[in-house]
Amino acid sequence: DAKTTQPPSMDCAEGRAANLPCNHSTISGNEYVYWYRQIHSQGPQYIIHGLKNNETNEMASLIITEDRKSSTLILPHATLRDTAVYYCIVRSYNNNDMRFGAGTRLTVKP
Amino acid sequence: GAGVSQSPSNKVTEKGKDVELRCDPISGHTALYWYRQRLGQGLEFLIYFQGNSAPDKSGLPSDRFSAERTGESVSTLTIQRTQQEDSAVYLCASSKQVGTGEQFFGPGTRLTVL
Repeated sequence: DAKTTQPPSMDCAEGRAANLPCNHSTISGNEYVYWYRQIHSQGPQYIIHGLKNNETNEMASLIITEDRKSSTLILPHATLRDTAVYYCIVRSYNNNDMRFGAGTRLTVKP
Repeated sequence: GAGVSQSPSNKVTEKGKDVELRCDPISGHTALYWYRQRLGQGLEFLIYFQGNSAPDKSGLPSDRFSAERTGESVSTLTIQRTQQEDSAVYLCASSKQVGTGEQFFGPGTRLTVL
């Protein structure tokens, strides 16, 4: 699976949009982009995933560039409870493990 | 069921002892996964089950680690002759079937080997 690169940490003001970037320049055509987050002392939580089209659900939006080499997770109105480590993962549909990197530690500040 | 559950939530053991960690997946989920997370690090894949079959055991760190699953239900991860480097949070996840992206994680078992 392709490797991903994320900034180690980011801050965001409460109520503002949090935009978390991820680079995956070696992504191949059959690989999806997944985002999970892990709030302190809890198991990871699925957020969203996509292949090439932008996706939106009740938690977030996923914007994937046309060349698929990078993506951005958008939390439209961050709250203090969104403080967590956010993991961007690239994997093929038939791969059965999630290769979590170090992720981005997002801190939402009042 | 409501979600993936794991027991115990915390386990403290002495070096050299064997431990068993249990995972109850979401009812109806055929795929089950075990991960290890050392303090301050990302998740390390250990093993997955499709039903009660484990096609890929390559992630198990040593032959002291083993896992089994009963049908499409409970799984047990066993660590024999524990070492201090085994100290970590062990996370279990399940999904409707192998290959789908959305894995539902349990709260983990925090293992401390003294």
